[in-house]
Amino acid sequence: DTEVTQTPKHLVMGMTNKKSLKCEQHMGHRAMYWYKQKAKKPPELMFVYSYEKLSINESVPSRFSPECPNSSLLNLHLHALQPEDSALYLCASSPLTGRASPLHFGNGTRLTVT
Amino acid sequence: QKEVEQDPGPLSVPEGAIVSLNCTYSNSAFQYFMWYRQYSRKGPELLMYTYSSGNKEDGRFTAQVDKSSKYISLFIRDSQPSDSATYLCAILDAGGTSYGKLTFGQGTILTVHP
Repeated sequence: DTEVTQTPKHLVMGMTNKKSLKCEQHMGHRAMYWYKQKAKKPPELMFVYSYEKLSINESVPSRFSPECPNSSLLNLHLHALQPEDSALYLCASSPLTGRASPLHFGNGTRLTVT
Repeated sequence: QKEVEQDPGPLSVPEGAIVSLNCTYSNSAFQYFMWYRQYSRKGPELLMYTYSSGNKEDGRFTAQVDKSSKYISLFIRDSQPSDSATYLCAILDAGGTSYGKLTFGQGTILTVHP
């Protein structure tokens, strides 16, 4: 088991649905990340939060909306997704952004958009 | 040209073999180098992390960085069937506008057969 917990493990949603992915860490890390991973591809960065403020948005479509309510929690709100958004969504955390800060990943939420 | 190049394999070796996994990178600003292991349907697990040229050893794993050649390697000694996974090199850009962004190689699929 990892120290970064993601729920749900699996999610199936229609294109008109609204759903949220949740991520929690209790390691005292101050940076949290959302990555998207398609099959047989490496993870791709979506968002970075540093000290609960959005510091990087990798030009992600607005149908993905991140939220960081506090230093332990990270949400990803989903609305009007497309079938090509089906992927493994990974949350990660690190002590600080950048210097000497390897990322620790959760096991992801496997999302299927129908 | 991708910023980080990694041979996707697949690589198949017998149990007990020494495995060599490699990545090259193009950006001299890259400073921090990681290796992750990802089992099927799981998130990436941090194996090794280093920021200087030279070797770093942890049990059966050795990470090697050559900054002058922009080349990083992971060696696995006495490989086991449980080492069968996808191995991802990842490099952290700790400067400029990409502060905190982790760039992954494509991943190498490794199978260790008994």
